[in-house]
Amino acid sequence: TQLLEQSPQFLSIQEGENLTVYCNSSSVFSSLQWYRQEPGEGPVLLVTVVTGGEVKKLKRLTFQFGDARKDSSLHITAAQPGDTGLYLCAGDIQGAQKLVFGQGTRLTINP
Amino acid sequence: EAQVTQNPRYLITVTGKKLTVTCSQNMNHEYMSWYRQDPGLGLRQIYYSMNVEVTDKGDVPEGYKVSRKEKRNFPLILESPSPNQTSLYFCASSLSARYEQYFGPGTRLTVT
Repeated sequence: TQLLEQSPQFLSIQEGENLTVYCNSSSVFSSLQWYRQEPGEGPVLLVTVVTGGEVKKLKRLTFQFGDARKDSSLHITAAQPGDTGLYLCAGDIQGAQKLVFGQGTRLTINP
Repeated sequence: EAQVTQNPRYLITVTGKKLTVTCSQNMNHEYMSWYRQDPGLGLRQIYYSMNVEVTDKGDVPEGYKVSRKEKRNFPLILESPSPNQTSLYFCASSLSARYEQYFGPGTRLTVT
């Protein structure tokens, strides 16, 4: 059983479309991180959200942390081929010194 | 340049032959961890270390050992590798679990 469920696991859309990736759990997290991974490389941090209800923007990417700190979403506006990659959410479990990752969303943006 | 290095990047070995994957970071980070990445399962933590001489099991520790004798190094040891340990392995370091994790480039291990 995955502690953090990401959906969808695969998404292929056309350039210019919008999309949302979800990261859900029944557990409460102190913080939630989003990473992006390119082929042949390790994941790289995009953003960390800490406060329930927090919204952070990174150019065309908008990240939201749920009010109860159990879920998060990543919204991409006007997707571009350069957005292609594996997106991973990771939650910092309250009271524990560990990070748990979702299964990942493999995103393909077609020109 | 701040980085996490892993060696080797690729390794093909046979069942039962002990191997070590090295990991080193130059950022003076307290927290280091090892993950394995398998299709559909995301990144699963094998072991983590909060500081020198302090290590603890992650979610999938069976068949692995680690040590943290120095702050910068955190080797992963497979005493008797088996085919189900074929995977992509990542080492990561950070200030703590809740801060940005800096990942190494990965080690692709195949056990035949």
